[in-house]
Amino acid sequence: GENVEQHPSTLSVQEGDSAVIKCTYSDSASNYFPWYKQELGKGPQLIIDIRSNVGEKKDQRIAVTLNKTAKHFSLHITETQPEDSAVYFCAASRRAAGNKLTFGGGTRVLVKP
Amino acid sequence: DVKVTQSSRYLVKRTGEKVFLECVQDMDHENMFWYRQDPGLGLRLIYFSYDVKMKEKGDIPEGYSVSREKKERFSLILESASTNQTSMYLCASRWGQGAAGELFFGEGSRLTVL
Repeated sequence: GENVEQHPSTLSVQEGDSAVIKCTYSDSASNYFPWYKQELGKGPQLIIDIRSNVGEKKDQRIAVTLNKTAKHFSLHITETQPEDSAVYFCAASRRAAGNKLTFGGGTRVLVKP
Repeated sequence: DVKVTQSSRYLVKRTGEKVFLECVQDMDHENMFWYRQDPGLGLRLIYFSYDVKMKEKGDIPEGYSVSREKKERFSLILESASTNQTSMYLCASRWGQGAAGELFFGEGSRLTVL
């Protein structure tokens, strides 16, 4: 089955700096890669996703890049703000996997004011 | 807004007890999921259901069962709780077929088994 590894497990950045989280996946047939943000005491929420026919996607201060050859994808947050402090999860799935997302281990991001 | 409601935010149970975790969604989603969240391990899928009375095993189904008698409700059952089932349990729902598409999560149920 699919295996998703996520690094780093914790990330501390100064407000205004950029944050980058990297994930690798094992199943070359995976074609959908979402990112979820989990704030304290809440369930994860989708913040951005990318499909395998696209190399990069942006939404305001957030961007995701995908390298299918190397089987890795990354989340980039620019101009970080205190409200970006949360746990971020990457995930991967493929159409034939039967509704099954495989998540990475999570990255705890702390933005210091 | 989609709302996924988990009945209990915090539970403390004893080893061997039967535990029910209830989840209700209000957006008529076909698919519902139970995940377990542990530090460093991310979210691991226990069971999912793509229709009423249908269920599929996820990655870690051992020690768990599920019930989906109505479209909006998905229950996770621990027949005989053990200490290694102490964890955060997250319910989620999603519209439509296939693996792509947004998962909507509840706020989680933190279970402690003594």
